[in-house]
Amino acid sequence: DAGVIQSPRHEVTEMGQEVTLRCKPISGHNSLFWYRQTMMRGLELLIYFNNNVPIDDSGMPEDRFSAKMPNASFSTLKIQPSEPRDSAVYFCASSRSGGSSYEQYFGPGTRLTVT
Amino acid sequence: LAKTTQPISMDSYEGQEVNITCSHNNIATNDYITWYQQFPSQGPRFIIQGYKTKVTNEVASLFIPADRKSSTLSLPRVSLSDTAVYYCLVTSSGGYNKLIFGAGTRLAVHP
Repeated sequence: DAGVIQSPRHEVTEMGQEVTLRCKPISGHNSLFWYRQTMMRGLELLIYFNNNVPIDDSGMPEDRFSAKMPNASFSTLKIQPSEPRDSAVYFCASSRSGGSSYEQYFGPGTRLTVT
Repeated sequence: LAKTTQPISMDSYEGQEVNITCSHNNIATNDYITWYQQFPSQGPRFIIQGYKTKVTNEVASLFIPADRKSSTLSLPRVSLSDTAVYYCLVTSSGGYNKLIFGAGTRLAVHP
């Protein structure tokens, strides 16, 4: 299995530009999570989906952030317009929901730099 | 979700056993204890999970006392490659396996 795939791995953009981060979860996993990691705030859960439906987006910092999951094999996290404080590593993770296992599989992350 | 407290950092030497203790005084009956490991420039990776007593896998052991208010992750004979951040999480059963990460423990293994 290829694991969770994220693209791009690195993104450098200017303030005000739209940024789209992409994620392909592991086949068969029905939960998908977006996280953001910075030195100051650590690893934060932004939003998660179950069976392609957003369950909890309370971690999304503001309206500039939006996430979609049009099908079971693809999700996007969009920032429009981007700001320098959005610079961080964004991780996507997937898992099988339900039961008592909390094993999430994380992708390699997208390092975003907004100048 | 129960709050967890663990040391900010630890140092060890190759070949030693490392024990990282996490306190979770407000753990609920349905909560599990889960540990993740994160290497630099990588996403976190699941290590081990337990509910009570002891759990062991090929990577680590997890010790949970009867009151479940704390847990200890034990790494046998660490090597330089075990240098990483280790996160202790308390997670509720059922639902959507939501994880809330704290600051973690930064373990440095020295030659």
